[in-house]
Amino acid sequence: AQSVTQLDSHVSVSEGTPVLLRCNYSSSYSPSLFWYVQHPNKGLQLLLKYTSAATLVKGINGFEAEFKKSETSFHLTKPSAHMSDAAEYFCVVYGGYQKVTFGIGTKLQVIP
Amino acid sequence: GAVVSQHPSWVICKSGTSVKIECRSLDFQATTMFWYRQFPKQSLMLMATSNEGSKATYEQGVEKDKFLINHASLTLSTLTVTSAHPEDSSFYICSAREYRGGSTEAFFGQGTRLTVV
Repeated sequence: AQSVTQLDSHVSVSEGTPVLLRCNYSSSYSPSLFWYVQHPNKGLQLLLKYTSAATLVKGINGFEAEFKKSETSFHLTKPSAHMSDAAEYFCVVYGGYQKVTFGIGTKLQVIP
Repeated sequence: GAVVSQHPSWVICKSGTSVKIECRSLDFQATTMFWYRQFPKQSLMLMATSNEGSKATYEQGVEKDKFLINHASLTLSTLTVTSAHPEDSSFYICSAREYRGGSTEAFFGQGTRLTVV
């Protein structure tokens, strides 16, 4: 069985300050982990992915995430938030051809 | 990366009518596609797995007679919401996976916002 827990349903940061969106997972297999972003009324866009290569993964728009097996975590970070980062973020896990499991999502609010 | 195109991006229909949503993999072949539904302020829930040339596999609680899935070719899957009702109003997203370079990546369509009036 596999599961994803996004620890915060809503995160609010000031523009220019760091962003931390937390994700913990469980999987019976060596997982592939992804972060997706969804802007209002838009589809999902891939931010970054971990597929058993480097544990620190860099994605688009300055985001990065670190895979920590001992902590079963894959937290998403960005050094400095921008207004355009306001969106919903989903942590996703799957192991090869298993069903994709989505976290419940974290809504990021960026305050000017 | 690979591209999955979903059409239409939004649709409004009257209660009792049917709506068809298309999902195409543009530059790769997808033997399996997935259909998800997103309720307001909730995460995506898998509705069904669409298999090319065979019947779709539906998740528990999803009415197969209401949500008809057809996967007639390696690049096209369709979801038809039959006899739509206002409670069917939702955001529907399709996904296809491509195996490349030793890993599998899922690609998502743009989504379809269905409003039933």
